[in-house]
Amino acid sequence: KAGVTQTPRYLIKTRGQQVTLSCSPISGHRSVSWYQQTPGQGLQFLFEYFSETQRNKGNFPGRFSGRQFSNSRSEMNVSTLELGDSALYLCASRVSQVTGYTFGSGTRLTVV
Amino acid sequence: ELKVEQNPLFLSMQEGKNYTIYCNYSTTSDRLYWYRQDPGKSLESLFVLLSNGAVKQEGRLMASLDTKARLSTLHITAAVHDLSATYFCAVDQAGNMLTFGGGTRLMVKP
Repeated sequence: KAGVTQTPRYLIKTRGQQVTLSCSPISGHRSVSWYQQTPGQGLQFLFEYFSETQRNKGNFPGRFSGRQFSNSRSEMNVSTLELGDSALYLCASRVSQVTGYTFGSGTRLTVV
Repeated sequence: ELKVEQNPLFLSMQEGKNYTIYCNYSTTSDRLYWYRQDPGKSLESLFVLLSNGAVKQEGRLMASLDTKARLSTLHITAAVHDLSATYFCAVDQAGNMLTFGGGTRLMVKP
C-alpha cells in the first residue's frame, strides 16, 4: 500500500522566490494536512483540506497558501520566500477522525 | 490557545531501564497521538488514543490517556538502543489540526 508521497524531497531557493510543494495522500484519504517543522518552533500546523475545502488554517502569514484537487492531491505554495521559511514541510493524510494521521517523508526547503 | 507540553525534553537512559515521558495539554480534548521521529526522517505513528482511560501497548512502549487530568504518558519498559529517537505527543484540536508538544529526545545507551 503506497504511503503519503511528497515531492520534491529537497529544494534550495533564493529569498524572494516562490515555491510549490506537492503531496499525494494515501488512496482513499480525503483529509490532507500540512505542517512546518523547524528547530526553533517545532512542529506547527499550516492548514488542512477536505474534499477541496480548506477547513482550518494555522497562524502563518498569507504568503503561505494551499489547495486540494478533486483527486485529493494537495499543493502548498510559499511566495516571497524568507530565510525563516527554511524548514521541513510535512504532509499528512487520514481517512477519518478516528484514525491516525500518516505523514509523508517531507520536503526539506532551504532558503538562501 | 491550546498548549502541549512534554517532559522531559531530553532523556538519556541505560538499556534495560524503565522510564515515562509525560504529555500535558491545556484544553479539553479526547484525541491524542504519539509519534516517533528518527533523525532526518518523517513522523511514524505509534499510538492513537481516543477516549479517557485509553491504554495501548506495542512492544516495549505503552501509552495512556487521562482526559480529566489532561495528561498522557508514554512508558518505556526495558529500553533497548533501537528505541533511541525523538517522541512527540500531539493533541487533535477542532478535529482536524494537531498541536504538537516540543518532543522528547530519547537516547538509550548500551
